[in-house]
Amino acid sequence: ETGVTQTPRHLVMGMTNKKSLKCEQHLGHNAMYWYKQSAKKPLELMFVYNFKEQTENNSVPSRFSPECPNSSHLFLHLHTLQPEDSALYLCASSPQFSGANVLTFGAGSRLTVL
Amino acid sequence: EDKVVQSPLSLVVHEGDTVTLNCSYEVTNFRSLLWYKQEKKAPTFLFMLTSSGIEKKSGRLSSILDKKELFSILNITATQTGDSAVYLCAVVFGNEKLTFGTGTRLTIIP
Repeated sequence: ETGVTQTPRHLVMGMTNKKSLKCEQHLGHNAMYWYKQSAKKPLELMFVYNFKEQTENNSVPSRFSPECPNSSHLFLHLHTLQPEDSALYLCASSPQFSGANVLTFGAGSRLTVL
Repeated sequence: EDKVVQSPLSLVVHEGDTVTLNCSYEVTNFRSLLWYKQEKKAPTFLFMLTSSGIEKKSGRLSSILDKKELFSILNITATQTGDSAVYLCAVVFGNEKLTFGTGTRLTIIP
């Protein structure tokens, strides 16, 4: 375990479902991130929260909705997804949002959209 | 457009061999370059490089950055089956965000 815990590890959902991914970190970090990892593509940054404030939204479709209630927890709410949204969703944290900080990643949530 | 390119995309070698993985980049306002190892799911941090020409080393792994030619290499000597993984290169540029390459999938045959 890296100190960043993601649940569920696997999720299968239909295009009309609503589900949520959860991320929790026990490292005392203040920045949290959502990344999408698709086959044969680089990791894509989706959202960044720094001290609970959203600082980055990388042109992500509105069917993905992040929530950061405190510095230790991050959610990704999913609704009316498309099959091309199937991917590994990785959560990460760092002491704060700065290029000088190393990200610690969770093990990811593997999402399949039918 | 900021870009990070890794090569080769995949590599298969025998245990005991030495491998060199490449990462080249085109970014504005370079800050640092990072290497991660991704075995099953969670990428784990290996090295952060900010200064050109200074080798970072950890056991059988080492990495060096060339800021003039805009690339970095990751060397693994005396490879073991546990080195099988995807190796990710990421570059931090002016806006503090990481831009990742597609990764190199390394397979070590016993």
